[in-house]
Amino acid sequence: QKEVEQNSGPLSVPEGAIASLNCTYSDRGSQSFFWYRQYSGKSPELIMFIYSNGDKEDGRFTAQLNKASQYVSLLIRDSQPSDSATYLCAVNYGGYSTLTFGKGTMLLVSP
Amino acid sequence: GAGVSQSPSNKVTEKGKDVELRCDPISGHTALYWYRQSLGQGLEFLIYFQGNSAPDKSGLPSDRFSAERTGGSVSTLTIQRTQQEDSAVYLCASSFLGGRNAGELFFGEGSRLTVL
Repeated sequence: QKEVEQNSGPLSVPEGAIASLNCTYSDRGSQSFFWYRQYSGKSPELIMFIYSNGDKEDGRFTAQLNKASQYVSLLIRDSQPSDSATYLCAVNYGGYSTLTFGKGTMLLVSP
Repeated sequence: GAGVSQSPSNKVTEKGKDVELRCDPISGHTALYWYRQSLGQGLEFLIYFQGNSAPDKSGLPSDRFSAERTGGSVSTLTIQRTQQEDSAVYLCASSFLGGRNAGELFFGEGSRLTVL
């Protein structure tokens, strides 16, 4: 059973702080890792993906991958109230397989 | 259209009725996925179509659920003899598969199904 685990939260951070969202996965064969953001009542949208160990930065977002520890994280710098949403971690196990999603972490950024 | 289109956006039905949900993926996307999301829950995979290959139906919760994709484009998810536990938002997504790009899914706005 391929599993993706996330803390459901909510994770509460003040505006301007760094939000750190974490995800672990069960299958060492996992190849691709994705972070989706889902606003309340809306569909998920892709914000970051990472394939290789290390960090990947895109604006205020940094994805971190550690395949040895089967751990992927998302850092949001200078958090804004507009970042308040549920963040879904998703893992692709290669080839033409589907994505397996975690249940998501709710982030609340207070002004 | 530019995005994934789903219809209806909302559907209220009575227990025991059949429902059909439609998805029109982004033009050129070869892969199409159906997920469902119950209130406060994560995304539950239902079925996956890739080109002309046999679909991956491993996520369908019962034989009351079926889906087809015609001409490699539009897909219909059918739920027969609906039950109250089928109430959820049904999300369709498409992607252009190219190795690692398999995870870059584009979601529609969903079809909210309520079974009374």
